[in-house]
Amino acid sequence: GAGVSQSPSNKVTEKGKDVELRCDPISGHTALYWYRQRLGQGLEFLIYFQGNSAPDKSGLPSDRFSAERTGESVSTLTIQRTQQEDSAVYLCASSFSSGANVLTFGAGSRLTVL
Amino acid sequence: GENVEQHPSTLSVQEGDSAVIKCTYSDSASNYFPWYKQELGKRPQLIIDIRSNVGEKKDQRIAVTLNKTAKHFSLHITETQPEDSAVYFCASSGSARQLTFGSGTQLTVLP
Repeated sequence: GAGVSQSPSNKVTEKGKDVELRCDPISGHTALYWYRQRLGQGLEFLIYFQGNSAPDKSGLPSDRFSAERTGESVSTLTIQRTQQEDSAVYLCASSFSSGANVLTFGAGSRLTVL
Repeated sequence: GENVEQHPSTLSVQEGDSAVIKCTYSDSASNYFPWYKQELGKRPQLIIDIRSNVGEKKDQRIAVTLNKTAKHFSLHITETQPEDSAVYFCASSGSARQLTFGSGTQLTVLP
């Protein structure tokens, strides 16, 4: 596609529910990142996929968070048993090859946990 | 892993003045240093980047300098305009070749 697509753009959920956020990277981009951005804060690294290598999950804040990527295409970030502190914008980004290249960000998924 | 520190966290300048934002990094193997601009409610977008084989790069009113020995790099914006107001993030590639971002600088250009 022309850009990085994320869905849903907005998600409101109740505490304790599970949510899935989807990212469709630019075709041909082998690297894919998930970041979390709380209101007025910086970009918190969550997870990094590069081709068929094992993902770098070092940024996932707890075992309630997980992510998958199918080959070099769509990725899904899953948050189980959501908590209010999970409320944030979740940004996906992709790039050619490794991270030492331009990242293109999606518009983000705004998650609100009531 | 890589650690990137960014200063200042907030910066206010008068329209027409220059703005400088500085970042330091920890991983000496880092070789790629981009800067992203995030306007309110928008996604971050690349404004300029530099690789370790050069010390300076300029694009109109924006320039980036890199000092590999000291492990720091800076963003310079000259002749600032109100539309430059945004949050700016620096980043470094690190030896893992994944980008680590600084904490961001809120730049406000006062008319």
